[in-house]
Amino acid sequence: GAGVSQSPRYKVAKRGQDVALRCDPISGHVSLFWYQQALGQGPEFLTYFQNEAQLDKSGLPSDRFFAERPEGSVSTLKIQRTQQEDSAVYLCASSLRWNTEAFFGQGTRLTVV
Amino acid sequence: KNEVEQSPQNLTAQEGEFITINCSYSVGISALHWLQQHPGGGIVSLFMLSSGKKKHGRLIATINIQEKHSSLHITASHPRDSAVYICAVGPRGGGADGLTFGKGTHLIIQP
Repeated sequence: GAGVSQSPRYKVAKRGQDVALRCDPISGHVSLFWYQQALGQGPEFLTYFQNEAQLDKSGLPSDRFFAERPEGSVSTLKIQRTQQEDSAVYLCASSLRWNTEAFFGQGTRLTVV
Repeated sequence: KNEVEQSPQNLTAQEGEFITINCSYSVGISALHWLQQHPGGGIVSLFMLSSGKKKHGRLIATINIQEKHSSLHITASHPRDSAVYICAVGPRGGGADGLTFGKGTHLIIQP
């Protein structure tokens, strides 16, 4: 596609519910990043993929967070047993390779009630 | 971990004014990004630079590697420039970390 696409744009989840957020990167982009942006804050790094390999997941806040990119293209960020503090915008970015210009998706705004 | 500081946090200016947003970071980097975020969350990459200066239309970005400082300038500002401008840095070396972001500068240009 022309850009990075994320879905859904908005998600309201009840506390305790599992959610899955999808990212379609730009075709051919090797690197894919997930970020979490709390209200009024800059984004914070969650995890990084190079093709299908998850090279860094040091930013995932707990073991309730899980990300995958099984075929090296589409990625899914899954949050199990959501809690109110998980409410944030989740941003996905892709780049042709590591440390080249990053292109961001519109983000998924998750609200946990 | 790199600490990224932006100033000012908020800036309101009149249409036509020259705007400067500053970014400083604490640890050597491979590249610095200036990003624009509009309400609704979408982020657009404005510049990626590792030295010197880049210009695109009314936007100019400069970086001083020795001083660990970058500035984003907007000439002849317009209300459509109103957005949050975010500075982000990429780590030096072979690490696979993502970008470290500043908290952003919320810019409002009044007609």
